[in-house]
Amino acid sequence: GAGVSQSPRYKVAKRGQDVALRCDPISGHVSLFWYQQALGQGPEFLTYFQNEAQLDKSGLPSDRFFAERPEGSVSTLKIQRTQQEDSAVYLCASSPFLNQPQHFGDGTRLSIL
Amino acid sequence: GQQLNQSPQSMFIQEGEDVSMNCTSSSIFNTWLWYKQDPGEGPVLLIALYKAGELTSNGRLTAQFGITRKDSFLNISASIPSDVGIYFCAGQLKDQGAQKLVFGQGTRLTINP
Repeated sequence: GAGVSQSPRYKVAKRGQDVALRCDPISGHVSLFWYQQALGQGPEFLTYFQNEAQLDKSGLPSDRFFAERPEGSVSTLKIQRTQQEDSAVYLCASSPFLNQPQHFGDGTRLSIL
Repeated sequence: GQQLNQSPQSMFIQEGEDVSMNCTSSSIFNTWLWYKQDPGEGPVLLIALYKAGELTSNGRLTAQFGITRKDSFLNISASIPSDVGIYFCAGQLKDQGAQKLVFGQGTRLTINP
């Protein structure tokens, strides 16, 4: 498809399990972003890649959160030892280059039981 | 995390009415964007503003970038049922290392039949 694709759309995990969320950005987009959206709130920034380089990870809430984009295209957000407060929608966005509008995927809704 | 002050939080209007919402910040931004989010979907870009004082239209939507660079508003004229949803403002700095979007908490628009 032409848009940002995220998988899975829904993920249910037990507290303590590790999860991995995938993002396929729009083809050719250099910049890739991860955001966390709690229920009833606006998205909050987690981390940002320019190609394969992670230039800003200031929004990652703890060292349990890890993101990678090894080949500068697909990205994976990994959460280790999940906790209930990790329950949220995780949104991925991409943009063609610096300072260009970000286009979002439909997110992965993560529920931690 | 940091968020913009967006108001109103919710609006209940009649079809055909005009709508106005705004966003303020204590920080200066170089870009303001407005997104719309429907249930179960990611935010969709409506309008991007790049210059202080800029007034931009997209169909029935009009947005302005405040002169102080600390605020923006969005107007929707002659509302229709498909305008229902949550509208988010977002600010961005033009810095290679600071490409993140900072979002408001959203304005939920409901149109009464």
